[in-house]
Amino acid sequence: GQQLNQSPQSMFIQEGEDVSMNCTSSSIFNTWLWYKQDPGEGPVLLIALYKAGELTSNGRLTAQFGITRKDSFLNISASIPSDVGIYFCAGWSANAGGTSYGKLTFGQGTILTVHP
Amino acid sequence: GAGVSQSPSNKVTEKGKDVELRCDPISGHTALYWYRQRLGQGLEFLIYFQGNSAPDKSGLPSDRFSAERTGESVSTLTIQRTQQEDSAVYLCASSFGTSGTDTQYFGPGTRLTVL
Repeated sequence: GQQLNQSPQSMFIQEGEDVSMNCTSSSIFNTWLWYKQDPGEGPVLLIALYKAGELTSNGRLTAQFGITRKDSFLNISASIPSDVGIYFCAGWSANAGGTSYGKLTFGQGTILTVHP
Repeated sequence: GAGVSQSPSNKVTEKGKDVELRCDPISGHTALYWYRQRLGQGLEFLIYFQGNSAPDKSGLPSDRFSAERTGESVSTLTIQRTQQEDSAVYLCASSFGTSGTDTQYFGPGTRLTVL
């Protein structure tokens, strides 16, 4: 099946620093999503990208849908302590005849630690 | 109304026992998904239900795993003869549909520990 490679696996940064993480895939996705998961909770959607080349911002977060449709990145600017958590990329495929239709494929996650 | 709820929040069981995990989706959501999240890992798709269509069971790891959904409401994930490798957080999500623009809303998960 489809796999997403997310990097880095973990990051330790100082408050105020910018953060960047990315996902790559061997196959095409039609939608890229970025989720954040806090301890003991389910993932919460941060940003959704629906078009190749699309660049979308949500406050201090910016994400882009790669032109090849096989990659995406997420940037967090001026990090704050509450940014701590696990960030996941996820891809959705419109290949109705394929096994991935209707399902999200998730990356392995990036664990972010922010030191005050 | 409320978001996706799951119960129990934690379940400790002995190897070989059966367990049932429950998910209450957001009212009006026709699609419901189950995922497994092992410690330090991403989410692994298990099964999804879409309206009255046959569920997509392609992610279920073995025949010990099964799930049911009554109409567009509650779903139950059952694991029979649990093994230690089944220990994980089981997450449920629901959405209006299964297109790429239908946001999946996740519950808090059930943490299953098999001793």
